[in-house]
Amino acid sequence: GENVEQHPSTLSVQEGDSAVIKCTYSDSASNYFPWYKQELGKRPQLIIDIRSNVGEKKDQRIAVTLNKTAKHFSLHITETQPEDSAVYFCAASRNRDDKIIFGKGTRLHILP
Amino acid sequence: AAGVIQSPRHLIKEKRETATLKCYPIPRHDTVYWYQQGPGQDPQFLISFYEKMQSDKGSIPDRFSAQQFSDYHSELNMSSLELGDSALYFCATNAQGALPYGYTFGSGTRLTVV
Repeated sequence: GENVEQHPSTLSVQEGDSAVIKCTYSDSASNYFPWYKQELGKRPQLIIDIRSNVGEKKDQRIAVTLNKTAKHFSLHITETQPEDSAVYFCAASRNRDDKIIFGKGTRLHILP
Repeated sequence: AAGVIQSPRHLIKEKRETATLKCYPIPRHDTVYWYQQGPGQDPQFLISFYEKMQSDKGSIPDRFSAQQFSDYHSELNMSSLELGDSALYFCATNAQGALPYGYTFGSGTRLTVV
């Protein structure tokens, strides 16, 4: 089955700096890669996703890149703000209607 | 806009008791996924239903069962509860083949087994 590795497990960045979280996946049939933000005790919230026919996608301060050959994808957050502090999960799925497999998560701390 | 509704929000049970968690999808969503998230862990896929039929099964213990009803709501039944079952249980729903992409998660049920 699919295995998603995520790094780092914890990341601290100064407010205003950029944050990068990296993931790899094992199942070459995976073609949908969502990213979720989760605050303590709350539901995971989809922040951006990318499909395998696209190499990069951007939404304001958030961007995701995908390298299907290398089976890795990354989340980039620019101009970080205190409200970006949360746990971020990458995930992979064979298609958007299939179960999604999550990475272990990255706890992002934005330092004042 | 209507969201995915889960009930109850919190549940405290004793070991060996049973629990039933409910999930009400967004209108016109026909697929339900159940996830279990232990403290400090990632959500683990348990089971999913599409059009009232089980569509996939993950790491769901034999003590757990689930079903989807004619109105598309789903229930997760948990028996012989163990301390290790204490977790956040999320359901997520979507409409197969429809936009937008991605699940919508419910607010979760926090189950505490004592």
